[in-house]
Amino acid sequence: GQQLNQSPQSMFIQEGEDVSMNCTSSSIFNTWLWYKQDPGEGPVLLIALYKAGELTSNGRLTAQFGITRKDSFLNISASIPSDVGIYFCAGQEGGTASKLTFGTGTRLQVTL
Amino acid sequence: DSGVTQTPKHLITATGQRVTLRCSPRSGDLSVYWYQQSLDQGLQFLIQYYNGEERAKGNILERFSAQQFPDLHSELNLSSLELGDSALYFCASSVEGQGNSPLHFGNGTRLTVT
Repeated sequence: GQQLNQSPQSMFIQEGEDVSMNCTSSSIFNTWLWYKQDPGEGPVLLIALYKAGELTSNGRLTAQFGITRKDSFLNISASIPSDVGIYFCAGQEGGTASKLTFGTGTRLQVTL
Repeated sequence: DSGVTQTPKHLITATGQRVTLRCSPRSGDLSVYWYQQSLDQGLQFLIQYYNGEERAKGNILERFSAQQFPDLHSELNLSSLELGDSALYFCASSVEGQGNSPLHFGNGTRLTVT
């Protein structure tokens, strides 16, 4: 099925470092969402973006909706051990097409 | 806690068998979605229901079917199971079936086919 291209695939960083990841699509989306998935659990919504160019923060997390509507970025500042997990971007087409198309995921490992 | 409840948490069954996965959406949510996640893979959309009616269909096999009941809970039926059907199956719900309505996910059912 269709998937968004997400990079990097995995990251190993030290506690306190900043993290950046991005997601690109060949299709336009009206909504971009970022989720985090811990092992054995379902994805948890982190940030939702509804307008091209929008920049939204949630604590140490900041995400942006690209102006072309074909990409999105997530930054995590001052990473901590509990940031470990898999981060997924997801695009939503809008209108009655509310299903999400997910990115391939970025696996984040944080070392002390 | 997302408010989306999935049962059972784990399911182990043999090839050729049939299983039913159950999902209760968040209170007030009318739309239910089913996703499949194979090992180290992203989430693949299977099917969506909105207020009891099928709204969208993804890469759902003919051996799989789903329905949403009047109380809005949903069931995903998987039949003639094959080894490759082993995966995590997630249910998600949203307030409406429209765009701009974020999906909230349950903790999934892990299906193992032996």
